Amino acid sequence: DTEVTQTPKHLVMGMTNKKSLKCEQHMGHRAMYWYKQKAKKPPELMFVYSYEKLSINESVPSRFSPECPNSSLLNLHLHALQPEDSALYLCASSHPDSDWLYEQYFGPGTRLTVT
Amino acid sequence: GQQVMQIPQYQHVQEGEDFTTYCNSSTTLSNIQWYKQRPGGHPVFLIQLVKSGEVKKQKRLTFQFGEAKKNSSLHITATQTTDVGTYFCAGGTGNQFYFGTGTSLTVIP
Repeated sequence: DTEVTQTPKHLVMGMTNKKSLKCEQHMGHRAMYWYKQKAKKPPELMFVYSYEKLSINESVPSRFSPECPNSSLLNLHLHALQPEDSALYLCASSHPDSDWLYEQYFGPGTRLTVT
Repeated sequence: GQQVMQIPQYQHVQEGEDFTTYCNSSTTLSNIQWYKQRPGGHPVFLIQLVKSGEVKKQKRLTFQFGEAKKNSSLHITATQTTDVGTYFCAGGTGNQFYFGTGTSLTVIP
């Protein structure tokens, strides 16, 4: 199984809402990632979890809160977002390595619209 | 900060023509990875290069990693309509990992 699943596929939320994005993989990978991708732009790394511990936080605003409940699951909790946070949110997983030596498997993403 | 630039940003080719995208990093990379993202899709891993000067081939695709490990290229021979998409290089070192700016390929039948 080389699949990374993400739910929901689409999400529309108001600026005062609280919502969560979910990601799951069953490849035995111990590194999981959240990326943000705006239209016609490259994915931007937000968070990296390695062995269920947050290892990289790329100066992301606190209105985004990641959580890794176990080695297969990754959540991104959203609160008080801004319209400019509208984007495709991608989850990925890989074998962990400090030198980025392993390919990342991406999920299909959640298309988020903040109104 | 580190930047990974790709040129060209867009490329339109006639089916059967060759295509090349170039990737340049402002710093030395531990490795370089290449991903393809189809319109409306998600990035899909193509290949990874680790060694200085490394060249790898996958059917019609040829990947190179520069001697200084700061640049890379992807060359597609005789493009097909299935090659349509955006090609990203991506590389990292230490706690940094960046995707390149991407090259969007359109293949005209």
